[in-house]
Amino acid sequence: GAVVSQHPSWVICKSGTSVKIECRSLDFQATTMFWYRQFPKQSLMLMATSNEGSKATYEQGVEKDKFLINHASLTLSTLTVTSAHPEDSSFYICSAIMAAPGPQHFGDGTRLSIL
Amino acid sequence: GQQVMQIPQYQHVQEGEDFTTYCNSSTTLSNIQWYKQRPGGHPVFLIQLVKSGEVKKQKRLTFQFGEAKKNSSLHITATQTTDVGTYFCAGGGTGNQFYFGTGTSLTVIP
Repeated sequence: GAVVSQHPSWVICKSGTSVKIECRSLDFQATTMFWYRQFPKQSLMLMATSNEGSKATYEQGVEKDKFLINHASLTLSTLTVTSAHPEDSSFYICSAIMAAPGPQHFGDGTRLSIL
Repeated sequence: GQQVMQIPQYQHVQEGEDFTTYCNSSTTLSNIQWYKQRPGGHPVFLIQLVKSGEVKKQKRLTFQFGEAKKNSSLHITATQTTDVGTYFCAGGGTGNQFYFGTGTSLTVIP
């Protein structure tokens, strides 16, 4: 149980393109979802906390107009990287929890490469 | 933002030796979680500690939460090759969010 699906796994696109990443909890309802960014061999950096039906809470230094988060239902959150540039290339990973505070269940992540 | 540091950054041990990673926060934590991430994989939840001074055990793993709720440790007894991976602590903030530590990469030499 507690499976989180993240799609797509890999994205390669041109600079200036907007990219949408989906995070779905498949067998549970997620009160909260989190979006992280992870650089090679480094830790997970929290970007934003997403609650269903409300605006996401962004961490300091994360541009909300750049990284649009929508949490439309208790099983789906999306992250849209708008007008992506090479510096946005990274590994983005989401997690979901059933209730706070509780275990985070992670998706497999999305490798984003901007050319 | 909240900073959660872990030491050591890397640890190489001979199989059968013990291993400990330490987690320190600049602020008091509401709770702390521990995760294990294998190369190429996503973090997998190990445990959550909530109470000051709490100690929990999972087979060869012992987790501790400090009295001041600003530090934590994970101790593995008699490491095995299956213990290889990066261990992260994640400190609970004032909301529902968690801040991951810098991680400790464990290599176990057979």
